[in-house]
Amino acid sequence: GPKVLQIPSHQIIDMGQMVTLNCDPVSNHLYFYWYKQILGQQMEFLVNFYNGKVMEKSKLFKDQFSVERPDGSYFTLKIQPTALEDSAVYFCASSLVDIYAEQFFGPGTRLTVL
Amino acid sequence: AQSVTQPDARVTVSEGASLQLRCKYSYFGTPYLFWYVQYPRQGLQLLLKYYPGDPVVQGVNGFEAEFSKSNSSFHLRKASVHWSDWAVYFCAVSMTSGSWQLIFGSGTQLTVMP
Repeated sequence: GPKVLQIPSHQIIDMGQMVTLNCDPVSNHLYFYWYKQILGQQMEFLVNFYNGKVMEKSKLFKDQFSVERPDGSYFTLKIQPTALEDSAVYFCASSLVDIYAEQFFGPGTRLTVL
Repeated sequence: AQSVTQPDARVTVSEGASLQLRCKYSYFGTPYLFWYVQYPRQGLQLLLKYYPGDPVVQGVNGFEAEFSKSNSSFHLRKASVHWSDWAVYFCAVSMTSGSWQLIFGSGTQLTVMP
């Protein structure tokens, strides 16, 4: 079936540095999402992106977070600067249409902030 | 607030035995409900979804789930478990108030014994 790819699978950085997580969504999908899962906790919604704009974000989507998809390439999540509490697995998802549609998930990027 | 509870963090069954994974939701409106499965080092894959209608929904690989409004539940079932079903299972709810986000449970790790 359709696959969402995430690069890298694991990233280790020092606190205060910038990090960019990359997502290659399903090719004809229009809606893109990021979710965050801290070890042992539930996966939580961060942000939804459509047509070049953030449509919805949660309180976890701090000011240090940003998303973009320049020219239909990777859908990225940038954190600048990073904090210790940003250590988690970040999952990207995409869907063809909007609300209630099946979201296709990538395998996640494990981010470790030291 | 909307929430999803999976009360069993781990379930162990013998191959060929029947399975039920429990999911309870808290939502004031009409929920759209999903079960996802995550195999090691892969993204979440949709097993089945419930949209208002028939309370019993069929999914892939012999899985089914039953929606109960009175019990606020959406339990996942399978008549005969296979070793390849060894994975983590997530229940999720989509709000019907114009939000794109999925709200996830904490997941149930299924172990299949030979």
